[in-house]
Order: sequence, then structure tokens, then C-alpha cells
Amino acid sequence: DTGVSQDPRHKITKRGQNVTFRCDPISEHNRLYWYRQTLGQGPEFLTYFQNEAQLEKSRLLSDRFSAERPKGSFSTLEIQRTEQGDSAMYLCASSPQAGANVLTFGAGSRLTVL
Amino acid sequence: SQKIEQNSEALNIQEGKTATLTCNYTNYSPAYLQWYRQDPGRGPVFLLLIRENEKEKRKERLKVTFDTTLKQSLFHITASQPADSATYLCALDSDGGATNKLIFGTGTLLAVQP
Repeated sequence: DTGVSQDPRHKITKRGQNVTFRCDPISEHNRLYWYRQTLGQGPEFLTYFQNEAQLEKSRLLSDRFSAERPKGSFSTLEIQRTEQGDSAMYLCASSPQAGANVLTFGAGSRLTVL
Repeated sequence: SQKIEQNSEALNIQEGKTATLTCNYTNYSPAYLQWYRQDPGRGPVFLLLIRENEKEKRKERLKVTFDTTLKQSLFHITASQPADSATYLCALDSDGGATNKLIFGTGTLLAVQP
């Protein structure tokens, strides 16, 4: 297992278009997280899954954002009708269910909205 | 309001010296606190975790302290090297272990000069 994979690494889109990011977590990890990070800031929590259940969503996650983890394995994060303010690095992380919550992050998907 | 604050300025030190980074938090009662390293364009990488009942934790050249009375953690890198140059993020569980999400500080950029 090579860790957490994210795809694509970079996405440039025009305002108003929809984009989707994929995350493949470490296979034995039950928990999967999405964070957003802008320049000079720390990662901001967006949402997390335990297996296929989405257990918490941040108020940062507007109606234009939706995340799924259909079979408790990979996850997708979709942004509809993108806005320039959505430009950021979208980070996925996973962790095992037991014990303290140490996150293993992917390399991130950088979104630029023109 | 809840806040996690790290050194707002970048930290510049000479190779061989000890780097000390601070993390202060307000209106949280974390069960544990973590430190991550982030290189440009990459996801954060876990370094150390310290629990609320631990005063100090060490790993090779790294040392973390945790003072729940002061609501502060200090992160030390001894015998610093240019390869230690990166952004360091502190993170804590947001509600004493009741939830499973980590909240991150804004990070401190460390530059070690040869």
C-alpha cells in the first residue's frame, strides 16, 4: 500500500464549471477526511466519513459541495458551479478507527478557478 | 471563540541551533495534541502526538511539551539542519476526544540557514 492517493493533482477550471476530486485512502483505514487549505493557512476541516457514513460536515461545506464514500473505500468530493473563492488545495486524509486520530494525508488536489 | 495560534512570523535560525515553535489554544479541551510537518505542495506528515496527561514526548531530535494549564504546546528541534526547513502545524482534537476531527493551526514556517 502506497499511502493516500488523490486525483487529479492539479485542476484548472472556469468559474461555473463542476469539478470532482477522488481520494483513495489506506485500505485498512475506516475514517476518511477532507480538508481545504489556502495559502498561508492551516488545513480547514470540511467533512469526514466512518466507513460509508458521512458523520460530520463543516459549515464551510456549502450546498455546492458534496462528498461521498459509496462503499467505504474511495471517496469523491464534487464542487458544483465553482467560484473563484473555491481555489485552494483539497486534502484527503485517512486514519484507523482505533486509537488516537493520527491522519495520513495525500499530496492534495490543487484547484484553480479562473 | 475557539482559536489555535502559532508563531505568526517565520522562524529563521542557524544550522545546529535549537528551533522552538509555539502553539497556543483557546476554548478547547483537547485529549491530545499533534504536530505535523508540511513541505511546499505536499500534504502534512505526522510527527508526534502528546496526550493531555503527558508533559513531554521525544522522538530523535524532536521534543514536544504540553501544558494544559497554560493551554500551550512547545515543539523543539535540536541540532537543526537545513533539511528541517518546512512549515510545522499543530493540531488538536476539537472536543476532548468526543469527536474525531482534528483542528489545525495556521502553521509556522521554519527556515534553517546553513
